[in-house]
Amino acid sequence: EAGVTQFPSHSVIEKGQTVTLRCDPISGHDNLYWYRRVMGKEIKFLLHFVKESKQDESGMPNNRFLAERTGGTYSTLKVQPAELEDSGVYFCASSQPLFGNTIYFGEGSWLTVV
Amino acid sequence: AQSVTQPDIHITVSEGASLELRCNYSYGATPYLFWYVQSPGQGLQLLLKYFSGDTLVQGIKGFEAEFKRSQSSFNLRKPSVHWSDAAEYFCAVGALPSGGYQKVTFGTGTKLQVIP
Repeated sequence: EAGVTQFPSHSVIEKGQTVTLRCDPISGHDNLYWYRRVMGKEIKFLLHFVKESKQDESGMPNNRFLAERTGGTYSTLKVQPAELEDSGVYFCASSQPLFGNTIYFGEGSWLTVV
Repeated sequence: AQSVTQPDIHITVSEGASLELRCNYSYGATPYLFWYVQSPGQGLQLLLKYFSGDTLVQGIKGFEAEFKRSQSSFNLRKPSVHWSDAAEYFCAVGALPSGGYQKVTFGTGTKLQVIP
């Protein structure tokens, strides 16, 4: 069974440009999460989807960040325009809606804004 | 709201020595606890998890963790460290599932350095 896959694995963009990160969750996982780790700090929650609906987006830092999950399958996280402080690693994770579920993480998308 | 404290930012151990990484959590109900590891340039890998039952949990790569409710702790241990264990370790706590949703909060991580 394939795990959570993220694309691109690494991205270097200039300040002011746009980047779109993609996440393919594990098949059958209705829950999809985005987390990020910036500048070696703690891993912070960004938002959570249940199928195509945003359940909790309390961690989104500002309106430069837009997440979508059309059709309840893969998700995208767009940063527009990117700022230097957005550099870090963006993790996607997914889980099944079962009692005691485990959240499985992807390998992350490493973003560098220069 | 739940929170996690990992008091040690950086730990150095000799290869073959034992290891204990500390984790304290704060949560009003029964916690769901995890340890993840991130090797350099890699993603987050689940080492082990605790939901209920036996408070001593076995994980992958020879790691184990013990849940102590009275101390609000979930320390990670390994009897003999290998050089390949050098990585960053994250303790995390998840809120009780509600409608199949749980929000995981991570600690700040502990970087493990293994010396020959």
